[in-house]
Amino acid sequence: GQSLEQPSEVTAVEGAIVQINCTYQTSGFYGLSWYQQHDGGAPTFLSYNALDGLEETGRFSSFLSRSDSYGYLLLQELQMKDSASYFCAVKNYGQNFVFGPGTRLSVLP
Amino acid sequence: DTAVSQTPKYLVTQMGNDKSIKCEQNLGHDTMYWYKQDSKKFLKIMFSYNNKELIINETVPNRFSPKSPDKAHLNLHINSLELGDSAVYFCASSESGTSGSLGFYNEQFFGPGTRLTVL
Repeated sequence: GQSLEQPSEVTAVEGAIVQINCTYQTSGFYGLSWYQQHDGGAPTFLSYNALDGLEETGRFSSFLSRSDSYGYLLLQELQMKDSASYFCAVKNYGQNFVFGPGTRLSVLP
Repeated sequence: DTAVSQTPKYLVTQMGNDKSIKCEQNLGHDTMYWYKQDSKKFLKIMFSYNNKELIINETVPNRFSPKSPDKAHLNLHINSLELGDSAVYFCASSESGTSGSLGFYNEQFFGPGTRLTVL
């Protein structure tokens, strides 16, 4: 089967650092991506990892370990506007995308 | 200009009716998708489609059918609507193959969503 697991909720304060983990089990693997979705909005692309290691894009970084079928999204210098749901997603050999259940991040003042 | 647009934004209808949701993208992408997001925010792919291939998620009832008049449009037709069809439906598009800057990945661009309520 295909499945991705993420924590359902994470809470942090402004200025802090938070890590959202994702473990996956899929039939084939092209890479792990992350999407952000604000309430009432559409998912928007944040990052993608095809190879092991850390990819940094501004305040956001994403990490992948293919041998562990594990990745994480790291958000630094948290801002109130970062309050949203974050989804990891895998593209599998069937050329389809499988999304994780999402992690709701609440940033407190 | 909006990259991926959907109409209508809200759709309220009775059980048993047939309805359509339209999607258009002006990004020049050749692959389009339909996703269903339920009340628990689970995002599941229903279809992916390009000029060459339609990939159907086997869990999607055959009451749902995608129709693509051209590569900029992918409409979703739903027959005999049921209560469980109530959800937000997102259209998305991406480049295909390895033409994108991310190689095999292909970043997806989502439309604003259509909230379907079946009464």
